[in-house]
Amino acid sequence: GENVEQHPSTLSVQEGDSAVIKCTYSDSASNYFPWYKQELGKRPQLIIDIRSNVGEKKDQRIAVTLNKTAKHFSLHITETQPEDSAVYFCAASAPRGPGNTPLVFGKGTRLSVIA
Amino acid sequence: AAGVIQSPRHLIKEKRETATLKCYPIPRHDTVYWYQQGPGQDPQFLISFYEKMQSDKGSIPDRFSAQQFSDYHSELNMSSLELGDSALYFCASSVRRHPNTEAFFGQGTRLTVV
Repeated sequence: GENVEQHPSTLSVQEGDSAVIKCTYSDSASNYFPWYKQELGKRPQLIIDIRSNVGEKKDQRIAVTLNKTAKHFSLHITETQPEDSAVYFCAASAPRGPGNTPLVFGKGTRLSVIA
Repeated sequence: AAGVIQSPRHLIKEKRETATLKCYPIPRHDTVYWYQQGPGQDPQFLISFYEKMQSDKGSIPDRFSAQQFSDYHSELNMSSLELGDSALYFCASSVRRHPNTEAFFGQGTRLTVV
């Protein structure tokens, strides 16, 4: 089955700097890669996703890149703000039947933005 | 907009008791997923249902069972509870017939086993 590795496990940046979180996946059939932000005790919330037919996607200060050959994808947050502090999870799923397999999550990255 | 509703939000049970967690997916979503998240850990997939039939099975213990009803709500039944079952349990729903659609998570049920 799918295995998703995520690095780093913790990341501290100064406010205004950029943050990069990287994930690798094992199943070359995977075609959907969402990123979730989870604040303490709350639900994971989708912040951006990318599908295998594109290499990069951007939404304001957040961007995700995908390298299918190397089987890795990355989250980039620019101009970080204290409210970006949270745990970020990458995930992957593969096509199966009329939809996709359940999401497999990485171990998470605890991002701390220092004011 | 309607979101995924989970109940109860908090639950305290003693060892060896049973618990039932409920999930009401977003209307017209055909797939429900259950995840378990221990403290400081990533969500672990337990089980999913597509159109009221079990679809995938993950790391769900034999002591747990789940089902999806005709109105698409789902229940996770947990028996012979152990201290290690203490976790956040999330339900998520999506529309499988449209591939690559996002999974929306409920607010979770925090289960504490004492």
